[in-house]
Amino acid sequence: AQSVTQPDIHITVSEGASLELRCNYSYGATPYLFWYVQSPGQGLQLLLKYFSGDTLVQGIKGFEAEFKRSQSSFNLRKPSVHWSDAAEYFCAVGPSGYSTLTFGKGTMLLVSP
Amino acid sequence: DTGVSQDPRHKITKRGQNVTFRCDPISEHNRLYWYRQTLGQGPEFLTYFQNEAQLEKSRLLSDRFSAERPKGSFSTLEIQRTEQGDSAMYLCASSLAQGGANYGYTFGSGTRLTVV
Repeated sequence: AQSVTQPDIHITVSEGASLELRCNYSYGATPYLFWYVQSPGQGLQLLLKYFSGDTLVQGIKGFEAEFKRSQSSFNLRKPSVHWSDAAEYFCAVGPSGYSTLTFGKGTMLLVSP
Repeated sequence: DTGVSQDPRHKITKRGQNVTFRCDPISEHNRLYWYRQTLGQGPEFLTYFQNEAQLEKSRLLSDRFSAERPKGSFSTLEIQRTEQGDSAMYLCASSLAQGGANYGYTFGSGTRLTVV
């Protein structure tokens, strides 16, 4: 069975500082991996996705993620956080880009002035 | 295209009542998914359709839940005899069935259900 672990429930980062959100997955085959962001009371917006090719993928809003097969990880990074990045971030894994996804429990990002 | 639309945005109902939610996907997307999200959790899969066919249902989808997509366009999710444990955000998403680099879901803004 596939699963996703996001070890950090909350992270606080100062505005302008760098950010890394961790995601570890368990999946038997080559996974499709996604990062979504959710603002309070809203749906989920796709930040970036990975299936194959370059293991460093670029997304929207200046985010990037690196796929490391040996560590079963797909960590999300941003070099300089803005106050508007405060939201909840979800990592997800699936057998394809067109089927059911398994989500992690999310990491809430707080941005301090 | 305005994306995935869900209606209503919020619903408060008394325990035991029936509720129905609607989802309008992106018009060219033939797959439609329903997920449920409770407080402090990530979305959990409920069911999905390809066109009008319901292809997969989660064990989370008890007999009180039913979903339809009668013409392969919009979908409805009905919960009968609501219970307090049904309180959650119900998220709809749509995607293409296959092909190309444009994979992944587009989510709607969700319907927040509160059962009192």
